[in-house]
Amino acid sequence: DIQMTQSPSSLSASVGDRVTITCRASQSISRYLSWYQQRPGRAPNLLIYAASSLQEGVPSRFSGSGSGTDFTLTITSLQPEDVATYYCQQTFSTPGSTFGQGTKLEIK
Amino acid sequence: EVQLLESGGGLVQPGGSLRLSCAASGFTFNNYAMNWVRQAPGKGLEWVSVIYSGGSSAYYADSVRGRFTISRDNSKNTLYLQMNSLRAEDTAIYYCAKDVRGGYTSMIFDYWGQGTLVTVSS
Repeated sequence: DIQMTQSPSSLSASVGDRVTITCRASQSISRYLSWYQQRPGRAPNLLIYAASSLQEGVPSRFSGSGSGTDFTLTITSLQPEDVATYYCQQTFSTPGSTFGQGTKLEIK
Repeated sequence: EVQLLESGGGLVQPGGSLRLSCAASGFTFNNYAMNWVRQAPGKGLEWVSVIYSGGSSAYYADSVRGRFTISRDNSKNTLYLQMNSLRAEDTAIYYCAKDVRGGYTSMIFDYWGQGTLVTVSS
């Protein structure tokens, strides 16, 4: 099975900060990587797919990059509504998928 | 507007059974693969199962294979998850999720339901 490891597990940043979350796969997954945002008490929401493609309706301050085993989700200017847990997901081993353990983002 | 509405969750004893439903609307249901994803209390996301658009192919996570059965009724726009031999570790919120692409699955989920809580406890 492909394991996904996110870092950090949690972070705190100020409004307007640039925030970076990383995700590492246990083997190469090309660009088969998605990112989801889960606000407290809500269902997950797709942000990025195919490593860097922005889902329709997602603000442009969110971006993704990477390929192979190392990936990054970046928020260029943190907003209060971005408080959430973020998950990466590999879609290389279709059918079947695994998620990272999550990164909890808070506002300072 | 795409809507996914899960139902059927509740409290069940270990070894018991439960059937979850997910009523879909706002898109052509029989064109898309559908999935179940679960989240144990305070934990991360775990993919559970997928069924392709026509219902002929289905796949499961190792943790539920042989105990859970996914199915769909395209005439009713409804997805199901039959859960048997339930264990305490199956306690979770169960979400149904729509695949972003038609036909086979990409495992990219563009719409999710609000979830239904399953608690396995004596």
